[in-house]
Amino acid sequence: GQQVMQIPQYQHVQEGEDFTTYCNSSTTLSNIQWYKQRPGGHPVFLIQLVKSGEVKKQKRLTFQFGEAKKNSSLHITATQTTDVGTYFCAGRRFGQNFVFGPGTRLSVLP
Amino acid sequence: DTGVSQDPRHKITKRGQNVTFRCDPISEHNRLYWYRQTLGQGPEFLTYFQNEAQLEKSRLLSDRFSAERPKGSFSTLEIQRTEQGDSAMYLCASSLERRGIYEQYFGPGTRLTVT
Repeated sequence: GQQVMQIPQYQHVQEGEDFTTYCNSSTTLSNIQWYKQRPGGHPVFLIQLVKSGEVKKQKRLTFQFGEAKKNSSLHITATQTTDVGTYFCAGRRFGQNFVFGPGTRLSVLP
Repeated sequence: DTGVSQDPRHKITKRGQNVTFRCDPISEHNRLYWYRQTLGQGPEFLTYFQNEAQLEKSRLLSDRFSAERPKGSFSTLEIQRTEQGDSAMYLCASSLERRGIYEQYFGPGTRLTVT
């Protein structure tokens, strides 16, 4: 079945440093979503990517979808303490439901 | 406040008992999903409904699990003869397709502890 992996599992950064998490699927995806889950909270939708090579920005967050539509990345510039949480990617094959990755837990030290 | 509500928020039950959880989605959303999440893992898909029709059920879901969405509104998830391995956070999400985007709105979850 479809597998979605994420690296790294954990990332500790100093406030102001950049952060990147990578998502890899075992199969070609029709689209991919990213979610953020704060400690003790529930996942909150960030973005959906659909096109091969697509790049989208949301303020300090940059999302990319790979050319082969099998991988994606989320980059945060100049992290802030409010960025703390676990970032999940969720990949979807055509006609199927989203499969979530295990997440990357981000800690930001002030 | 995402608008998706779940009840109860916490449930402690003894092994072998049946439990039922309720999810109230955002009213205009036609899709409703159930996920299970354990510590350190991402949400694991269980099943989903489009309106009142249950369109997909995970192969990982045993026969002890059943879900309903009567009239396409709220949904219930029942677990029969609970086992300790069922202890997890059960998340409900709803969505409405807008220009090809199925943004899922998650509820706060029901934390199940089986003793």
